[in-house]
Amino acid sequence: SQTIHQWPATLVQPVGSPLSLECTVEGTSNPNLYWYRQAAGRGLQLLFYSVGIGQISSEVPQNLSASRPQDRQFILSSKKLLLSDSGFYLCAWSVGGTSYEQYFGPGTRLTVT
Amino acid sequence: AQSVTQPDIHITVSEGASLELRCNYSYGATPYLFWYVQSPGQGLQLLLKYFSGDTLVQGIKGFEAEFKRSQSSFNLRKPSVHWSDAAEYFCAVGDSGGGADGLTFGKGTHLIIQP
Repeated sequence: SQTIHQWPATLVQPVGSPLSLECTVEGTSNPNLYWYRQAAGRGLQLLFYSVGIGQISSEVPQNLSASRPQDRQFILSSKKLLLSDSGFYLCAWSVGGTSYEQYFGPGTRLTVT
Repeated sequence: AQSVTQPDIHITVSEGASLELRCNYSYGATPYLFWYVQSPGQGLQLLLKYFSGDTLVQGIKGFEAEFKRSQSSFNLRKPSVHWSDAAEYFCAVGDSGGGADGLTFGKGTHLIIQP
């Protein structure tokens, strides 16, 4: 069966510091991968998605970037965090080549101080 | 662009009572529709999905949803709620055009269960 992992689970970082969140998927090949951010009362906002290694699409301009160095690894980064980057970050995957249901990881709670 | 509206931010239901959570969508073609549930501090779990065919779909945990094209709705129902159903519920629409875009989510409905 497929499993999706995210780490760290929680993170507290000062403004201006770098960020790296990691997501890995097991049990499937060539998945579509997604990063969402969830802010209180605002639902989920799609940040990035990827259909393959090195292929990243950005949905919104922001202080963040994403990379996919391996088929089942998706990384969310920032060079300098802003207070507004605080939130709950969710990684998800779906079967490659489709936009069928997505399966979510446990999330990372990021607090920028 | 597609959009999803969940009109109720909070809903309070007594344990054992029936539940209906509303979802309206905007999409040009026949959409892919989903309901997810999120417990505090957790990721999202898929409850059910609609792609085509029978407009009444069954999901996990005793939930069902009905797709009504004429009303652009996909309401979630459960005949008798349990205290463990207290959570945040999200309706989402996906692109049936075959793209790999992410889902568009509503802002969620927070379900409170009264004993």
